[in-house]
Amino acid sequence: EPEVTQTPSHQVTQMGQEVILRCVPISNHLYFYWYRQILGQKVEFLVSFYNNEISEKSEIFDDQFSVERPDGSNFTLKIRSTKLEDSAMYFCASRLSIYSGETQYFGPGTRLLVL
Amino acid sequence: AQSVTQLDSHVSVSEGTPVLLRCNYSSSYSPSLFWYVQHPNKGLQLLLKYTSAATLVKGINGFEAEFKKSETSFHLTKPSAHMSDAAEYFCVVSDSTNKLVFGAGTILRVKS
Repeated sequence: EPEVTQTPSHQVTQMGQEVILRCVPISNHLYFYWYRQILGQKVEFLVSFYNNEISEKSEIFDDQFSVERPDGSNFTLKIRSTKLEDSAMYFCASRLSIYSGETQYFGPGTRLLVL
Repeated sequence: AQSVTQLDSHVSVSEGTPVLLRCNYSSSYSPSLFWYVQHPNKGLQLLLKYTSAATLVKGINGFEAEFKKSETSFHLTKPSAHMSDAAEYFCVVSDSTNKLVFGAGTILRVKS
C-alpha cells in the first residue's frame, strides 16, 4: 500500500539554525499539508499546498517557515531560524482530491528538538 | 468554525470489554468526520470516516462510529478491546477548506 514517508525521523538543532524537513507524498496525490504537534498539545494545521503554491496557511506559519515541492516528488518544510518553541512533531500529509471526504494520509512524523 | 471535543483524555478498559471513546463536533454545515489512531512512535493512521453516507461507519480492526446529527456526536466503539488497541485516538473534522481540525486526543489503555 502506498504511504507517505518523512525524513529524518528525529532532528536535533540549535536555536537559530535552519532545518529542512522532508516528505515524499503518495505519488498521484495533488494536495499536500504540514501539521505539527507540540508535546501535550493538539495536532495543528500549518499549511496546505496545491499546484505549486500555498493554498492556505495558519497564523503559526510566519515568515520563518516556507514550503517547496522542488522536484515533483519531495515536499519540504523549511524553518529558517529555529526557536525553542518550534520543538514539536511535524507531520506531512497528502490527499488525492479536494473532495471534503477524501482521506488525508499522514507520514510517520519528524520529531524536531530545538536546543 | 469547525471544532471537535473529545470528552475523555484517558480511557482504561480491560481486554475483552467494550471500548467507547466520545467525540462531539461543532460545524456550520454537514461535516466530514474522521477517527485517526496513533500508536507510540508511529504516524497517524485512519481508522474510519464519515462523509454523509451511512451514519454507522465501520473501520479497521473492528472499530465503528455512529454519526448522530441531533447530538452532534461521533463516538468511536469497539465490542471487545485487544491489547494492541492501546494507543492515542483523535477525532477530526474537515473544515470548509478541507484542512483537518483535531481534537485533543484520547489515550486508550487496555489492561490484561
